[in-house]
Amino acid sequence: QLQLQESGPGLVKPSETLSLTCSVSGASIRSSDYFWGWIRQPPGKGLEWIGSLYYDGRSHYNPSLKSRVTISIDPSKKEISLKVTSTIAADTAIYYCARHWAVGYCSGGSCPRGRFDPWGPGTLVAVSS
Amino acid sequence: SYEVTQPLSVSVALGQTATITCGGYNIGSQNVHWYQHKPGQAPVVVIYRDTNRPSEIPERFSASNLGNTATLTISRVQLEDEADYYCQVWETSVVFGGGTKLTVL
Repeated sequence: QLQLQESGPGLVKPSETLSLTCSVSGASIRSSDYFWGWIRQPPGKGLEWIGSLYYDGRSHYNPSLKSRVTISIDPSKKEISLKVTSTIAADTAIYYCARHWAVGYCSGGSCPRGRFDPWGPGTLVAVSS
Repeated sequence: SYEVTQPLSVSVALGQTATITCGGYNIGSQNVHWYQHKPGQAPVVVIYRDTNRPSEIPERFSASNLGNTATLTISRVQLEDEADYYCQVWETSVVFGGGTKLTVL
């Protein structure tokens, strides 16, 4: 059974880079059936998709975050990483990683049109000086 | 960019039926997924690809998607169903609805 666990610093200073890791166990990290996604929830607000990465390195990002976000994969460690640069207070949120099922094709490859399932427990990151 | 709209809150009496809508232009042509999110827990998918219910989700949860509205229906609502519910679609990028807080009276 797939299990995901997010980890990383709970506090980041404004303008610095937020770096998180998602550890994967119980399933292949290199599967053509799904992407690996990151989603966040700011305090008191709704869910916001950050981006999703396919095992071959192809990625899809939220247009509003694309210039500051990088998602990468390390198959040897079974980890997915998230980096958000030039952080501001509005980046304060609970950050979740999740398996993101592929459905159909778009942009010349498998499409992240499916559900996020399962999710990790999430990790709270505060951006503050 | 594509947007989907959910009511901020829905209240329902214990044992009655709750209906949560997700509105968007021609959303009926999209795959819609629904999540239940309780405080301090990870979101859980309750419906995927419009009408499919994971085996671990009670049969009380059902959904439809037609035209400009997708609908999540919870029959015989229980106290444990009180949570935030989100719809999610893909339209060149992932879009979540703003979430609906379900209160069980």
